[in-house]
Amino acid sequence: DGGITQSPKYLFRKEGQNVTLSCEQNLNHDAMYWYRQDPGQGLRLIYYSQIVNDFQKGDIAEGYSVSREKKESFPLTVTSAQKNPTAFYLCASSIGGTGGSGANVLTFGAGSRLTVL
Amino acid sequence: QKEVEQNSGPLSVPEGAIASLNCTYSDRGSQSFFWYRQYSGKSPELIMSIYSNGDKEDGRFTAQLNKASQYVSLLIRDSQPSDSATYLCAVKKGGYQKVTFGIGTKLQVIP
Repeated sequence: DGGITQSPKYLFRKEGQNVTLSCEQNLNHDAMYWYRQDPGQGLRLIYYSQIVNDFQKGDIAEGYSVSREKKESFPLTVTSAQKNPTAFYLCASSIGGTGGSGANVLTFGAGSRLTVL
Repeated sequence: QKEVEQNSGPLSVPEGAIASLNCTYSDRGSQSFFWYRQYSGKSPELIMSIYSNGDKEDGRFTAQLNKASQYVSLLIRDSQPSDSATYLCAVKKGGYQKVTFGIGTKLQVIP
């Protein structure tokens, strides 16, 4: 079945440590996204990528880094510079492109819940 | 001004009633509009997408778009307890892949 796989589902981090969240998709989608969700809040965009080897900062990119070396993969690193990293992280993908309805419908992974100890 | 604004709720409706969820957006260049449903602890799932002014119906759900007023809404007819969730409005500008979400409206359907 096609979909998006995020791992790990739960992650605990000590202050000062970097952690990397994995996101893999087999939907052949061009665009991929990372969002952060805090309790009672909507989704805030961290980074997005329209195509391999290219990515753009979202609204809250500080303290995060990404790479897009393969179409299927868009890992997110939460660095020690991120002062309040405890949150629910969601990876998503879409067909992408500028034409056609449905091109920007997002398919989400199950999420990764990061807790800083 | 937030790019996408929603009332956080909770919005409480009795079972069988019509639930009306509203969303406004700030960028007139926005071209694609989406409603996602999110159950507690789960990831969002698409309910409706709408791209042109007017109404779009899918089963018990109707999305309404008014670009002149920068307003998009979702109506849920014959509301069921299983519709109790947070409904997220999302907007995309033309020519960009960035999709921006509102904070979501929590809907409670009372049996």
